[in-house]
Amino acid sequence: NAGVTQTPKFRVLKTGQSMTLLCAQDMNHEYMYWYRQDPGMGLRLIHYSVGEGTTAKGEVPDGYNVSRLKKQNFLLGLESAAPSQTSVYFCASSPRRGSISGEQYFGPGTRLTVT
Amino acid sequence: RKEVEQDPGPFNVPEGATVAFNCTYSNSASQSFFWYRQDCRKEPKLLMSVYSSGNEDGRFTAQLNRASQYISLLIRDSKLSDSATYLCVVNKNSSASKIIFGSGTRLSIRP
Repeated sequence: NAGVTQTPKFRVLKTGQSMTLLCAQDMNHEYMYWYRQDPGMGLRLIHYSVGEGTTAKGEVPDGYNVSRLKKQNFLLGLESAAPSQTSVYFCASSPRRGSISGEQYFGPGTRLTVT
Repeated sequence: RKEVEQDPGPFNVPEGATVAFNCTYSNSASQSFFWYRQDCRKEPKLLMSVYSSGNEDGRFTAQLNRASQYISLLIRDSKLSDSATYLCVVNKNSSASKIIFGSGTRLSIRP
């Protein structure tokens, strides 16, 4: 099992460019999440999904969009990148155990720099 | 006040020592608690859940104090490989948007 994978690992964008980050998991997990991690701050939830075809906003959703067309994939889009979106992005997934919990499995992260 | 607070450290201790750190949370209705470890430039990895009665996994012991609203992590006989940042996670209810990550406590074990 590969677990949770993310592509790309690194990316540099110019302000205003767009890109899509791909997350894939092979653990048949129901729930998937996108976080960003900035120095000195905890992980902040951008968007999440409780199942195929459903998405919801997290704590910091502005400037991002997501889609979950297949259970195993969760895509994060930046339509018009801004320097404030320079961050490390982590995707995570978790199994359905009655309810969403903090038991999550993370991908290796994508380091994004917006100049 | 942050919803989940951790002493950022760094805690610098010799190999073989016992080290403990706490994480406080502000919402008394919080339901579940976890400790993660994160190595430099890597992803967080689940270390252990924290149960009400306290739980142990090898050299690691986690405790929950609901009255004072904190969780703790104790590491006995510390190894060089324990050097990492330890994140506490608090789940306020069953919603993904209520899972709060602390900023982490950095631990460095010296030979």
